[in-house]
Amino acid sequence: DAGVTQTPRHEVAEKGQTIILKCEPVSGHNDLFWYRQTKIQGLELLSYFRSKSLMEDGGAFKDRFKAEMLNSSFSTLKIQPTEPKDSAVYLCASSFWDYAEQFFGPGTRLTVL
Amino acid sequence: GEQVEQRPPHLSVREGDSAVIICTYTDPNSYYFFWYKQEPGAGLQLLMKVFSSTEINEGQGFTVLLNKKDKQLSLNLTAAHPGDSAVYFCAVRNYGSSGNKLIFGIGTLLSVKP
Repeated sequence: DAGVTQTPRHEVAEKGQTIILKCEPVSGHNDLFWYRQTKIQGLELLSYFRSKSLMEDGGAFKDRFKAEMLNSSFSTLKIQPTEPKDSAVYLCASSFWDYAEQFFGPGTRLTVL
Repeated sequence: GEQVEQRPPHLSVREGDSAVIICTYTDPNSYYFFWYKQEPGAGLQLLMKVFSSTEINEGQGFTVLLNKKDKQLSLNLTAAHPGDSAVYFCAVRNYGSSGNKLIFGIGTLLSVKP
């Protein structure tokens, strides 16, 4: 069974560009999460979907970050416009309902110049 | 809301030594706990899932202890080897909170030297 897949693995953007990161959760999972990972802040929750419905949209990230889940097997995270401080690893995770562990993808390393 | 403090942020040990990572949480209603391992360039990999009813959990080469009285969760590697070098995260799932959110510790970078 395939795990969580994320594309691209690496992305380099100029300041002000729009970038879209993609995630495919584990087949059959109901919950999908987007996290940002930095050494200073650790793991920060950006968005959380349950059965494609947005459950949480991280307050500090609302203005330039938009996650969408158009079907149960695909999600995107759009950052518009990018800023150098957005340089980080973006992780996608999925799980099967409550009390279940989250399975993580390999992440996308974003560098904004 | 729930807060999780993880220490130490960095830990360096020799091969064969033990290594201990501790997480302290604040909400006494916390119910599910997790330890994840992250190797360079990879996502987080689940090491162990712990329920609040179980105080001692054994894995391959490690033990997870849950002290509900002190609200502490610890990961104890009994005889570390270089393959254990990674970043370790604890995570806490609140009972009764909406959805399936986990609160993560800041992570511990473990280096095991031969």
